[in-house]
Amino acid sequence: NAGVTQTPKFQVLKTGQSMTLQCAQDMNHNSMYWYRQDPGMGLRLIYYSASEGTTDKGEVPNGYNVSRLNKREFSLRLESAAPSQTSVYFCASSEALLPTYEQYFGPGTRLTVT
Amino acid sequence: SQKIEQNSEALNIQEGKTATLTCNYTNYSPAYLQWYRQDPGRGPVFLLLIRENEKEKRKERLKVTFDTTLKQSLFHITASQPADSATYLCALLTYSGAGSYQLTFGKGTKLSVIP
Repeated sequence: NAGVTQTPKFQVLKTGQSMTLQCAQDMNHNSMYWYRQDPGMGLRLIYYSASEGTTDKGEVPNGYNVSRLNKREFSLRLESAAPSQTSVYFCASSEALLPTYEQYFGPGTRLTVT
Repeated sequence: SQKIEQNSEALNIQEGKTATLTCNYTNYSPAYLQWYRQDPGRGPVFLLLIRENEKEKRKERLKVTFDTTLKQSLFHITASQPADSATYLCALLTYSGAGSYQLTFGKGTKLSVIP
């Protein structure tokens, strides 16, 4: 099993450009998440999907959109990138949206917006 | 909203000693608390979960305690090894209603085990 995979691993964008970060999991998990991690800020939840067909905002959703394409895939879109969105983005999944379930994280996408 | 403080950004200890990392939180008590390990350039990896009605949880050389009176969790690594060097994150899960849980991560403590 590959677990949680993310593409791309690295990306450089100019201000105003758009892009989509892809995430897929092969563990048949119901819930998926997008986080960003900035130095000195810790992991912050952007959006999550409790189950296929549902998405909800997390702590820092502004400037982002998500799509739960199917049970395996959860994408994050930046419509008009800004330098403040320079960060490392992690996708994660869990069996369900219950706190007793651990989250499995992908390797991350390092995004730089110039 | 819930705030989490992990005692220090960095902790250096000698190999073989016990490392103790602290996670303090404010506001209401979480129902569950998780600890993760993160190596440079990689995503976090789950280590342990402890419930609010559990005082202590162990897994091999790892031990986690949860004191809801002090609003604190302690994470211990006994007989530490250089391979334990990593950043350790605590994460609090609190019920926010309608079947949803709010997950908040601390900033992490970078542990370095010196041979």
